[in-house]
This record gives sequence, C-alpha cells and structure tokens, in this order.
Amino acid sequence: EVYLVESGGGLIQPGGSLRLSCEASGFTFSNSAMSWVRQGPGKGPEWVSAISGNAGTTYYADSVKDRVTISRDNSKNTLWLQMRGLRAEDTALYYCARGLAHFDYWGQGTLVTVSS
Amino acid sequence: QSALTQPASVSGSPGQSITISCTGTSSDVGSYDLVSWYQQHPGKAPKLMIYEVTKRPSGVSNRFSASKSGNTASLTISDLQAEDDGDYYCCSYTSTTTVFGGGTKLTVL
Repeated sequence: EVYLVESGGGLIQPGGSLRLSCEASGFTFSNSAMSWVRQGPGKGPEWVSAISGNAGTTYYADSVKDRVTISRDNSKNTLWLQMRGLRAEDTALYYCARGLAHFDYWGQGTLVTVSS
Repeated sequence: QSALTQPASVSGSPGQSITISCTGTSSDVGSYDLVSWYQQHPGKAPKLMIYEVTKRPSGVSNRFSASKSGNTASLTISDLQAEDDGDYYCCSYTSTTTVFGGGTKLTVL
C-alpha cells in the first residue's frame, strides 16, 4: 500500500523559513515524479512545485518561484520543500502527492501557519 | 497561471445525473489531454477520480465519466448517490505547471 507522510509544518513568523518533508513507501519512489500541493483555509488546492523521478527537473508555480526549493533523496524515499520568505498567504495545508500531470496518491498534509 | 473556471455549486437528487464544467484556455485544457478530476470530502485529502481526460483509476465507480471539447472539460456523475456529496476540482497540466480549478460544491439533495 502507498503511504505518503508529511511533516515539518508549524507556526512561523512572516519572513521565516521552513522545511517540509514527505516520507514515501509502498512504491518505487525513484520512478515517480512528486509534487507539493497546498490548500489554504476554505480554498481549493493549489499546485506548488514538482520534481522528476531522477531529480533532474524541477517545476515551480509563479506564486512561490524564487522562495521555495523542491528536492528529493531517492535512497531515503524522501521529498522536501524548503520554503523561505514566508508570507501570510502561504498559510495552508501542504500535501505531498505522487505525480506531475495528475496526482494519484496524497498524504494527509502538514499545516503551515504564517503569522506574527 | 490562472485557475480553471468551474461553477461554484451544482445540485441533484439521488438517481439523477449532473455535469460539472471546467473552462481553461488554449494553453492548458485546450492543448493537453491531461485533465484530471478530484473529489474531496471535509477534512480529507483530494481523491483522484479521472485522469488524462477520460480514464478512471481502479476502484472509482463507472458512474463517473468525463470528456473534453476545446478549452472546456466536463465531469458527469450519473445515478447520483449520497456519498457523491462533496467538492470537486478539475486540474490541467501545461508544459511546466499544473493548475487547478476553483472547485464546485456538489450537493445531493
């Protein structure tokens, strides 16, 4: 069975940094592109970033470009999202999801709250 | 990267059929057969219902079907059931990004 478990969220002040992690199991991690998708309170999902299976290609939404870095370690079946310069509008539940064009497995999410 | 346009809400009675539209542009929906649809219940992660415009993942009821014409994709749910109540989101891949629709709340009356 596929599991995606996110961690690393929390309360952070505006301008701060945070690193989210996603541990994957139940599938061949290195064969799958992975994405981060966030969902603000009362809002729909918003795709944030993606990375190819071999980490050779990364993709970013305009709303976070230059403020986030996606990375992965296939030997550890782990995906990360380094976020910096956080703003109030980054407050959301951040999901790790398998895929790039569509997302067939999702984690339970980790909550990031940006507030002073 | 503008969000795809969906109606805010639709409703139907059990046994009826409903259709949710998803309008994009020639840069996303119109250019790629990579539209997907997600169902979300409160407090849960989105669930993939349709991918690559018309394909259903294993385990998804065949009451769910979808299509695309030009820049607009559509999701049809037939024989509505109480458990179909929830939020539905379309999604389209472009060559460098993925964009979601604003969501449609389906109410099963």
